[in-house]
Formats: sequence, C-alpha cells, structure tokens
Amino acid sequence: SAVISQKPSRDICQRGTSLTIQCQVDSQVTMMFWYRQQPGQSLTLIATANQGSEATYESGFVIDKFPISRPNLTFSTLTVSNMSPEDSSIYLCSVDHGVGAFFGQGTRLTVV
Amino acid sequence: AQSVTQLGSHVSVSEGALVLLRCNYSSSVPPYLFWYVQYPNQGLQLLLKYTTGATLVKGINGFEAEFKKSETSFHLTKPSAHMSDAAEYFCAVTEPGGGNKLTFGTGTQLKVEL
Repeated sequence: SAVISQKPSRDICQRGTSLTIQCQVDSQVTMMFWYRQQPGQSLTLIATANQGSEATYESGFVIDKFPISRPNLTFSTLTVSNMSPEDSSIYLCSVDHGVGAFFGQGTRLTVV
Repeated sequence: AQSVTQLGSHVSVSEGALVLLRCNYSSSVPPYLFWYVQYPNQGLQLLLKYTTGATLVKGINGFEAEFKKSETSFHLTKPSAHMSDAAEYFCAVTEPGGGNKLTFGTGTQLKVEL
C-alpha cells in the first residue's frame, strides 16, 4: 500500500481566491490522480498527472481552473483558481499502485 | 464508455443482519471492479477488487463480492453487520489498462441499527 498525505485537510476560502492542495506519497509512483467529490455526490476524476508531462484533464475540467504540477515522482499539487461557492467540495489525491487506487484523506474546501 | 449504478443511495440494516449493497456496471470490455468504503471525514479505503480469476472476491472486514458477468453485477455482501460498518460505500470500475482511471457509482450510505 501507499501512504498519501494531503495538505491542507480543510480550508475556508473567499470567492475569487485560489487554493493550492499538496499531495505527498511515500513512494515513487508513475501516475497520480485528482478527484473531486461534491457534497452528497460521488467522485469525479479531474485529471491525471504524470511526472514530466502536462496533466491530462477530463471532460468538463480545464487547466486554467485546475492547474496541476507534478515536479517529481512523489509529489503533486492541484490549484483551484478563482474560486466560487460551486467549488466547495472534497478534493482527493489518488495514486496508482498496481491494480487498485489508494487515496489521500482529502481536502475539504468551503468557498464563502 | 463505462458507467456504474448503485441501487439504493441509503441502506439500513440491523446489527447482525446480512448486508447487501448492489452494483451494476456497463463496460465495453471485461472490467476491473472495486469497492471502496469512506468513513465520515476520511478518504477512501479499498475494500476489495476483482481483476481476473476467481469471481468471488474476499476483502477486508468480512466483506466479499461476486463478479457475475451475465448480470453485469458486482454486489457487496457481509453476512453479519456490525455497528462499525456504518459508512458510505462506492463501487468503481476501470478498464484493464485504464491506469486506474476509476469511474465511480453514486455511493450507498449504510446505516446499522441496534
């Protein structure tokens, strides 16, 4: 298994600002994934982050709104830009460790 | 395209009773299937997975699931519910080689009553 640490665990932010979420893994992984879980809903994949290349975004998500960095094989960041109340969600980092993804504890974001 | 349907957004059982959480999928190729559990204010924990081989899969905490290709189902069961099983359960699917790009169902909230 992999140990995944996400920071911050929660935050309350003003609309129009940006928040950067960090994800640290205790081992080197090829792919890292960012998911969003809106209140009362399931998880939706935002993007896949590979080290050394640009992230691949899913339909409905764009780089300008959710820029992602992947500077090395153990770390990634997701920025939620120009936030609005609709961005209030739990954001989860996930890693591919064989078959079966492992998830961080998530970042609970509230935009006011 | 893949999709996952979880019947019943809320399921309530008595402690000691059978737990049955339903999951049906659609996929153009034989998928890999997963069940995850999410306790309040926590991330997701992998309960069990099916990739190939034996269709009855045993997971942690006494849960098991059976892959039934003819029914496109992967229902989760536990013979005897415990209070600590109260959580949200998500079924997920990915295509082999999908690199763990998971498609999740909408989740089932399990309540266990005394």
